[in-house]
Amino acid sequence: QSALTQPRSVSGSPGQSVTISCTGTSSDSNYVSWYQQHPGKVPRLLTYDVSKRPSGVPDRFSGSKSGNTASLTISGLQADDEADYYCCSYVSTYTWVFGGGTKLTVL
Amino acid sequence: EVQLVESGGGLVQPGRSLRLSCVASGFIFDDYAMHWLRQVPGKGLQWVSGVSWNSANIGYADSVRGRFMISRDNAKNSLYLQMNSLRVEDTALYYCVKAVADAFDIWGQGTMVTVSS
Repeated sequence: QSALTQPRSVSGSPGQSVTISCTGTSSDSNYVSWYQQHPGKVPRLLTYDVSKRPSGVPDRFSGSKSGNTASLTISGLQADDEADYYCCSYVSTYTWVFGGGTKLTVL
Repeated sequence: EVQLVESGGGLVQPGRSLRLSCVASGFIFDDYAMHWLRQVPGKGLQWVSGVSWNSANIGYADSVRGRFMISRDNAKNSLYLQMNSLRVEDTALYYCVKAVADAFDIWGQGTMVTVSS
């Protein structure tokens, strides 16, 4: 169960878009999800099945996947988007693996 | 209100055992798979174990397989994690998490497990 690979950090200015990558997912799997975690808080599900959003998640957050790389794009960056972001993928035989996490800084 | 409340964490010596519990409310517990995830303070998330709604499917992370055992009691809306042969590296905040599709949508506040002599 090798961890997925994410950049340690990304940054962007308010109003801009940023994309966080996640490599190592299975190319034939669409079971990728993304989570946001503010310091001291419980993680929040942002997207699942690559690009589906739970109710209540703004459409500024969008997931995509190409080959073995999944991506989370945050458009119209806001100060409150500053947080840690994690990708996760279903691997096989009822096991899951997370990426190491990406710290997003809003400049 | 959908809620997951964990209990059972604490300080334990290496090699000893601990049993975590999670009580669910606000949703039909036996409709959903449930999982345990953990996070070392200041570090990333790690999936630990999961169980399908009817316990027919169970999985473990390589780092805990053979030492931890997940179980659920649908009649009691409860999820459990029996942790044996605990190691220092098992020290973490353990979350009880509800599944949606193959993702994790509802998280408890977590229970801290500290393994130290």
